[in-house]
Amino acid sequence: AQKITQTQPGMFVQEKEAVTLDCTYDTSDPSYGLFWYKQPSSGEMIFLIYQGSYDQQNATEGRYSLNFQKARKSANLVISASQLGDSAMYFCAMNGDFGNEKLTFGTGTRLTIIP
Amino acid sequence: EAQVTQNPRYLITVTGKKLTVTCSQNMNHEYMSWYRQDPGLGLRQIYYSMNVEVTDKGDVPEGYKVSRKEKRNFPLILESPSPNQTSLYFCASAKQGVGETQYFGPGTRLLVL
Repeated sequence: AQKITQTQPGMFVQEKEAVTLDCTYDTSDPSYGLFWYKQPSSGEMIFLIYQGSYDQQNATEGRYSLNFQKARKSANLVISASQLGDSAMYFCAMNGDFGNEKLTFGTGTRLTIIP
Repeated sequence: EAQVTQNPRYLITVTGKKLTVTCSQNMNHEYMSWYRQDPGLGLRQIYYSMNVEVTDKGDVPEGYKVSRKEKRNFPLILESPSPNQTSLYFCASAKQGVGETQYFGPGTRLLVL
């Protein structure tokens, strides 16, 4: 079974500062994928970034980067130069190996950017 | 416009009254999935479908049914809703599998009295 743990229920960060959202995972699958999604107050789920377990480099997408440490089983999301529009819930998720098409989410972190 | 649509967006019903939440995607995606979101629990997968007539259980399938008779549609059926199924429901689709970017619908907020 796969499990995602997000230990930060909420975070407050000053605008323009960088922020790291923690995510640890557990799985017995030899290969897997890790995802981050953003959920603004309007409710929609927005895909941010993806990291495959065999990818050699950490994924980046604009201001988002994923700090992937396989040995530690962590996949932290880093947002550089935070903006007021980054205030939202953030969910870490993972899928399993080929044939395991389940997607497991963490409980989320509510990020609030302070002007 | 590429999108996933869900109907209804809001629904109040009573215990035991069968209901269906529809989900449709216009991207010719093979993979579709249903999730429920509850405070403090994140999103939990209910059922998923790899293709027409192929469905499988997620982590919380009890009390739900699905069908995939057409590629674009993946309805969620609650045969006898109970108050513990009060939740926010999301449908999502992906081109071939869960390893790809999933596109989410806008959500359906369900209240079972």
